[in-house]
Amino acid sequence: EPEVTQTPSHQVTQMGQEVILRCVPISNHLYFYWYRQILGQKVEFLVSFYNNEISEKSEIFDDQFSVERPDGSNFTLKIRSTKLEDSAMYFCASLLRQGRGSGANVLTFGAGSRLTVL
Amino acid sequence: QKEVEQDPGPLSVPEGAIVSLNCTYSNSAFQYFMWYRQYSRKGPELLMYTYSSGNKEDGRFTAQVDKSSKYISLFIRDSQPSDSATYLCAMTRGSSNTGKLIFGQGTTLQVKP
Repeated sequence: EPEVTQTPSHQVTQMGQEVILRCVPISNHLYFYWYRQILGQKVEFLVSFYNNEISEKSEIFDDQFSVERPDGSNFTLKIRSTKLEDSAMYFCASLLRQGRGSGANVLTFGAGSRLTVL
Repeated sequence: QKEVEQDPGPLSVPEGAIVSLNCTYSNSAFQYFMWYRQYSRKGPELLMYTYSSGNKEDGRFTAQVDKSSKYISLFIRDSQPSDSATYLCAMTRGSSNTGKLIFGQGTTLQVKP
């Protein structure tokens, strides 16, 4: 079964430091996403990425966040200057295609990267 | 009013019980409805996916969508201890960005042997 792979599984950082979370989406998928889940809270959409550009972002995804697909396989989320409130599980997800029909709209999540900001 | 509401539980049932999990939503634009299962400190795993109204069955799981009431349900028959997890409802609008899911809070289910 194809899967979305995320690294690291857990990262501890000091406030103000830059963090890069990495994801390898399912190889033939075209749409890529980052979600966040603060402990005890809902899973929240951060950003979607298609055709090498951001297609949509939430209010949470401010100038401190950026995403990149530096090569044909990796998809990264960078937080430039981490804050305490950035502590959360970050999930990468990918989607083959949108619209109707078999296999459409099925979002597959990775296991997550837990970020702890001290 | 929150876009998606889900009772967080926890819900505790004996093994073999029928479990009913529910979500309500406010936005009539939602067309795709999903149920995800999430184990502790793991990513959400898709269980069921339904487009528009109706029922869908997969083994012990049945998903129901009632768009007129803005209400979705997941039923688990013959529940097993391995079903113990948090169940998240999720939904998305039309076809413009169907990977942008709006999640419920999640209901924590414990099935006792």
